[in-house]
Order: sequence, then C-alpha cells, then structure tokens
Amino acid sequence: DVKVTQSSRYLVKRTGEKVFLECVQDMDHENMFWYRQDPGLGLRLIYFSYDVKMKEKGDIPEGYSVSREKKERFSLILESASTNQTSMYLCATTTVGSAYEQYFGPGTRLTVT
Amino acid sequence: GENVEQHPSTLSVQEGDSAVIKCTYSDSASNYFPWYKQELGKRPQLIIDIRSNVGEKKDQRIAVTLNKTAKHFSLHITETQPEDSAVYFCAARGPRGGFKTIFGAGTRLFVKA
Repeated sequence: DVKVTQSSRYLVKRTGEKVFLECVQDMDHENMFWYRQDPGLGLRLIYFSYDVKMKEKGDIPEGYSVSREKKERFSLILESASTNQTSMYLCATTTVGSAYEQYFGPGTRLTVT
Repeated sequence: GENVEQHPSTLSVQEGDSAVIKCTYSDSASNYFPWYKQELGKRPQLIIDIRSNVGEKKDQRIAVTLNKTAKHFSLHITETQPEDSAVYFCAARGPRGGFKTIFGAGTRLFVKA
C-alpha cells in the first residue's frame, strides 16, 4: 500500500517567513508533485520532479521553489511567505510506466498571517 | 495552455438518483483521464480512469465515457448514496508536458437522504 506523508497537517506562518513543506513516500516512486488546492480552482500544479535533483515548473511556480535530494523526499519552499499563499498544499506521487494513478498525501493547510 | 473544464461546480441529487459530471479538455494529445473523489478532510483518491483507446468503462455504480472527437468525458454515478457525497475532480494527462496531469476545478456532489 502506497504511503505518502506530509510533515504537517496545519501550519500558521507570518508574512515574510521562510516555509518548508516536506513530502515523503515509501514506494520508490520516481515522480513527485506539489499542488495547491483552492475552492473553485481545483488542484493547480506548482512543481514536479521526475528524478532526484530534477525539477520542472508547473502552472503556478511563482513564489515557490523545490528540492529533491533523495528519491523519497520532495520539499516545497516558500522563500518569503505571503498571505496569498494561504492554501491547502497536496503532495502526490506516481511511478513510471503504465500506471498513471496519483497517490496523494493528506495535505497541509497553510495559513499566512 | 492545456486546460480542463468541469461542470457543474455543485450538484445536488436525491438518494437513488443518478449524477453526471462533465469535463472537456483542450490538449488533443491527452490519453489518460482519471477521476478522483475527495471526501471532506481527506486526500483525493482515484475512483475510476479511462484511456484514450476506450470509449466507456464501468465499475459497479460508476461509469466513465470518453468522446475523443469532441474532447469530452463524463462521470456517471447511478443509484447514488449519501456516502457518494464528496468533491469529484476530473483530470487529463497526455504525452505533452511530461508527467503533468491537468485537473478540473471540481464538482461538489451532495446526495440527500
């Protein structure tokens, strides 16, 4: 059974703080993704990675960066948090090959005040 | 850019009735169309998917249809039950853009007992 975990379920940060959100998966999946989920906007892709040290911009990368130093871990970084980054952040993984199913983490609800 | 539109945004049905959610996609190269269900406070989970070489797929009370010519696909839930109440996301994935999956904005389904 695939397990995807995220470092925090709820997080409150102040404007200007540096924020780290971490995602860890235990299934040796190559591909990892970070989405933000906002009402009426669905899931929007921030960044994704298909290998260690590889990263690709998604649809809304501005204000975010990522790090993938190990295969099982994909971190999302907000260099200087702003109130418009208040959102639910979801990590997901898939494996290479014919199985395209995305396995999601439980989500981190980030509030920036 | 690539886009997936989903309608309606909210759907309310009586228990036992059918529910239909419709999506359109813009990238004609898309070849995989999953549907995810997200219950309140939980992570999205895959409930059914269809590939571009198939026109219809059924799994118990859930079915998905795909019209490649019109770039439409739909989710059909028959004999709805209160536990079907959730947010449903359609998505499209294709060879362009690497491993990106584009999600619709979501449909909140209410099944009234």
